[in-house]
Amino acid sequence: DIQMTQSPSSLSASVGDRVTITCRASQTISIYLNWYQQKPGKAPKLLIYAASSLQSGVPSRFSGSGSGTDFTLTISSLQPEDFATYYCQQSYITPPLTFGGGTKVEIK
Amino acid sequence: EVQLVESGGGLVQPGGSLRLSCVASGFTFSDYSMNWVRQAPGKGPEWISFISSSSSPIYYADSVKGRFTISRDNAKNSMSLLMNSLRAEDTAVYYCARDLPGVASSGAFDYWGLGTLITVSS
Repeated sequence: DIQMTQSPSSLSASVGDRVTITCRASQTISIYLNWYQQKPGKAPKLLIYAASSLQSGVPSRFSGSGSGTDFTLTISSLQPEDFATYYCQQSYITPPLTFGGGTKVEIK
Repeated sequence: EVQLVESGGGLVQPGGSLRLSCVASGFTFSDYSMNWVRQAPGKGPEWISFISSSSSPIYYADSVKGRFTISRDNAKNSMSLLMNSLRAEDTAVYYCARDLPGVASSGAFDYWGLGTLITVSS
């Protein structure tokens, strides 16, 4: 199975900050990398698919990049509603589809 | 508006069985592959099963293979997950999730239900 490793596991940031979260795959996954945002008690929400494609309705302050094994999710200017946990997920080799361990973005 | 509504969760004893259902609306259900994803308390999501639009192929995570069975009824816009031999480690919120169509996007989940909680405990 492909292992997905996210870093950091948590971070503290202020409104307006630029935030970067990284995700590393245990083997190459081309561009088959998706990012989700999850708030407490809610289902995950798709933000980015295929490494850099913005899902419909997602604000443009979210962007994704990378290919192969190393990927990043960037929030260009953190907004109050962005405090949440973020997960990466690979969809290159299935089954199984695998998620990263998550990055919790907290208010500084 | 796309909606996915899960039902069937609850408290079940170890070794017991449960059937979850997911009813879809707001889109042509028969055109989309679907998935079940679960999330144990305080943990990240875990994909557990996939069913294509035509019911073939079907995939399972190793953690549920041989115990869980996914199925769908396109005429009723519904998907089910039959869970047997339940274990304490199956305790989680179970979500149904729609596959975003497209080659590069397959395996990305664009719509999720609200989830249904299953607690396996004596």
